[in-house]
Amino acid sequence: AQSVTQLDSHVSVSEGTPVLLRCNYSSSYSPSLFWYVQHPNKGLQLLLKYTSAATLVKGINGFEAEFKKSETSFHLTKPSAHMSDAAEYFCVVRGLSGSARQLTFGSGTQLTVLP
Amino acid sequence: EAGVAQSPRYKIIEKRQSVAFWCNPISGHATLYWYQQILGQGPKLLIQFQNNGVVDDSQLPKDRFSAERLKGVDSTLKIQPAKLEDSAVYLCASSLVRGDNSPLHFGNGTRLTVT
Repeated sequence: AQSVTQLDSHVSVSEGTPVLLRCNYSSSYSPSLFWYVQHPNKGLQLLLKYTSAATLVKGINGFEAEFKKSETSFHLTKPSAHMSDAAEYFCVVRGLSGSARQLTFGSGTQLTVLP
Repeated sequence: EAGVAQSPRYKIIEKRQSVAFWCNPISGHATLYWYQQILGQGPKLLIQFQNNGVVDDSQLPKDRFSAERLKGVDSTLKIQPAKLEDSAVYLCASSLVRGDNSPLHFGNGTRLTVT
């Protein structure tokens, strides 16, 4: 079975300061990992994905994430927060075969950006 | 390209009533998904279609939920009878093909409130 744990349900940062959203995963095999963002009353949008290529993955809107197998982590970062980054962020894992190939979502982290 | 369309945006019903949601995926997308997102949780897969066939419905409560995609394009998700715990946002997503290299595109969802 696979699972993903988002360590913070809420994160608050000031505009212009760094963002760190933490995610740990559990999987029997090397998984594919994703970050999705959900703005209020909007659909989920893919930010970035890791599929066993480079461990540092760059996504849209200046976000990036680093896959660390030894720590089973896939934290999302951004050097400088913008007001438009305020949204809910989901860490997602997908396994290799069978039902594990379905996306398993974390419970989400609500990011607030203060002026 | 036009995104994934869902309707209605909002629905309020009483328990034991029935309700249906409609989804029109992106043109040409063979794979269609229905997710349930309960407040404060990440989305949970209900059912996945490949064209008009069901790939995975292992988490669909089949005693009350049903879904169809008769012509391999639009899809309908039905709940009959609804329970209070069905209050959630129902998300439809589509992808061009199955697999890691085909990202999911999500609709804006239908917010269901059961009273």
